[in-house]
Amino acid sequence: GAGVSQSPSNKVTEKGKDVELRCDPISGHTALYWYRQRLGQGLEFLIYFQGNSAPDKSGLPSDRFSAERTGESVSTLTIQRTQQEDSAVYLCASRPTSGKYNEQFFGPGTRLTVL
Amino acid sequence: EDQVTQSPEALRLQEGESSSLNCSYTVSGLRGLFWYRQDPGKGPEFLFTLYSAGEEKEKERLKATLTKKESFLHITAPKPEDSATYLCAVQVGGGSQGNLIFGKGTKLSVKP
Repeated sequence: GAGVSQSPSNKVTEKGKDVELRCDPISGHTALYWYRQRLGQGLEFLIYFQGNSAPDKSGLPSDRFSAERTGESVSTLTIQRTQQEDSAVYLCASRPTSGKYNEQFFGPGTRLTVL
Repeated sequence: EDQVTQSPEALRLQEGESSSLNCSYTVSGLRGLFWYRQDPGKGPEFLFTLYSAGEEKEKERLKATLTKKESFLHITAPKPEDSATYLCAVQVGGGSQGNLIFGKGTKLSVKP
């Protein structure tokens, strides 16, 4: 079946502009995660959605970052007033609720460049 | 503070030259350790999950092992197509349900 998809694959924006990144999880996966990967750094957790529960926003670096997800469908990550330090690859992952393992399936990522 | 450290940062091998990658962790309440492979321009691809000390998992030329303080990813007779960045991640108790803490990865290059 189809994997996790993300769009756009690349985004170049000017400092101060808002950007919106999209993630389509694997169908039936109730859990969805956003991570940020800066050059030479490990993946950094941003936010976690589980079904209709309140999201865990503990990883969001500032109030310029927000994310939404309706039910078990598409999620969007919005960065307002982008800064150069926001440049990174933003990765989305999903996993099914059931099962013992926390195997997260990742999308290809969106490479964000803030000029 | 929960922490994951991978070493070496980069590893160059000749085809057929076996070696090991290390992932050491200091966490409160390990609920699982995960290995991922990441190719350039792609998202991480799941390889293994280990849950308890002494556990081992194998897949083709890769074998992952786990102790109470670290995990090893052993690569036997690697091929050029094994070249990638290998990421280690841990899931810890008491934190967010299911988010993983990642190391910075080991970039493996296998030359023919």
